[in-house]
Amino acid sequence: DIEMTQFPSFLSASLGDRVSITCRASQPIASFLNWYQQKPGEVPKLLIYAATTLQSGVPSRFSGSGSGTGFSLTISSLQPDDFATYYCQQSYNTSWTFGQGTKVDIK
Amino acid sequence: QVTLKESGPVLVKPTETLTLTCTVSGFSLSDAKMGVSWIRQPPGKAPEWLAHIFSNDEKSYSTSLKTRLTISKDTSKSQVVLTMTNMDPVDTATYYCARIRCSGAYCYSKSFMWFDPWGQGTQVTVSS
Repeated sequence: DIEMTQFPSFLSASLGDRVSITCRASQPIASFLNWYQQKPGEVPKLLIYAATTLQSGVPSRFSGSGSGTGFSLTISSLQPDDFATYYCQQSYNTSWTFGQGTKVDIK
Repeated sequence: QVTLKESGPVLVKPTETLTLTCTVSGFSLSDAKMGVSWIRQPPGKAPEWLAHIFSNDEKSYSTSLKTRLTISKDTSKSQVVLTMTNMDPVDTATYYCARIRCSGAYCYSKSFMWFDPWGQGTQVTVSS
């Protein structure tokens, strides 16, 4: 299986900060990479698919980049609603895998 | 509006077989641009993809769990069923079903695919 590694695992940031989360695949996955946001007690929500495409309704402060084995999720200006855990997920082959998650907390 | 709802037992005993049903609305299981996945999430941990099924009945399973899993669908009932045999306490988790969306005119190996939306999830505890 393709292993997805996210870093950092925890991130403390302030409102208005620009934050980036990295996701690395254990082998090249082209752009078959999705990002999800999960708040405590809630269901994961799709933010970005195909590495860079913003899901309809998701604020434009979220952006995705990368291809191959290295990817990033960037929040340009952190808002109160953004404190959550973020997961990357690959759909390159028939056995899909998630990263371990990055929790974004308030500094 | 697209919705998915999971149903099944809250508590199962070790060695028993778990059967979960996902009932979908707002889309058809015969739609070539979509599929349905099962995903689980143990408390405090990341989601883990388990299996998926597409309109042409193509199925895939987690490598580590494939010997224990079976996924099937009943298009007329808008339901996708997952069975997991030989349950163990480590299988305690919230189990979600999620719609798979595919890029392009239909789902195939080169399609970009993503989960959207997810069902509300159903908590399953494995304990004697």
